Amino acid sequence: QKEVEQDPGPLSVPEGAIVSLNCTYSNSAFQYFMWYRQYSRKGPELLMYTYSSGNKEDGRFTAQVDKSSKYISLFIRDSQPSDSATYLCAMRIAGKSTFGDGTTLTVKP
Amino acid sequence: DTGVSQDPRHKITKRGQNVTFRCDPISEHNRLYWYRQTLGQGPEFLTYFQNEAQLEKSRLLSDRFSAERPKGSFSTLEIQRTEQGDSAMYLCASSLVGTNEKLFFGSGTQLSVL
Repeated sequence: QKEVEQDPGPLSVPEGAIVSLNCTYSNSAFQYFMWYRQYSRKGPELLMYTYSSGNKEDGRFTAQVDKSSKYISLFIRDSQPSDSATYLCAMRIAGKSTFGDGTTLTVKP
Repeated sequence: DTGVSQDPRHKITKRGQNVTFRCDPISEHNRLYWYRQTLGQGPEFLTYFQNEAQLEKSRLLSDRFSAERPKGSFSTLEIQRTEQGDSAMYLCASSLVGTNEKLFFGSGTQLSVL
């Protein structure tokens, strides 16, 4: 079993929809929780970064961490076609980050 | 800040050949990471450096793989005697060590082993 499990998708939503992306993890030692966005043939780009349970908001994006359930989520409000990409969750202990396998999101105009 | 630069962007090689990739991190970053990503999978950790010291190497990494960061700036990743299973995107990332450490990725080197 992988340390980080991510809902595989793919996910297709109409423009303006609220998107929910989710990951679970098994290693309670993970200290930091991240969400990355990756476009085709590009490297991942950091979207959100948290280190405690609770919510963190940045514009249309909200990251939620529940350490007691070992569960993290990313919510995208008012989704746009430009949000179409693969979203990767990642968790870090010390210097090493462990990634989920990504959820591919398509936002249709 | 010019971002993380990787060279080459694409590499096609024949099985059994050696290949070397280069990564230039963001200039003030002291940590440098190598990841490998195959289609439909997330990036898989290979190794990382703090300055010139290699601090961790994946147990899954074959002895055919070696990485260096000789002066704590750019890094090279060499794969000897390539196999078809080595075909993947090789990603480099850098960061500034600290509590709020964040990884910045390059665009990767796509390796195809024929």
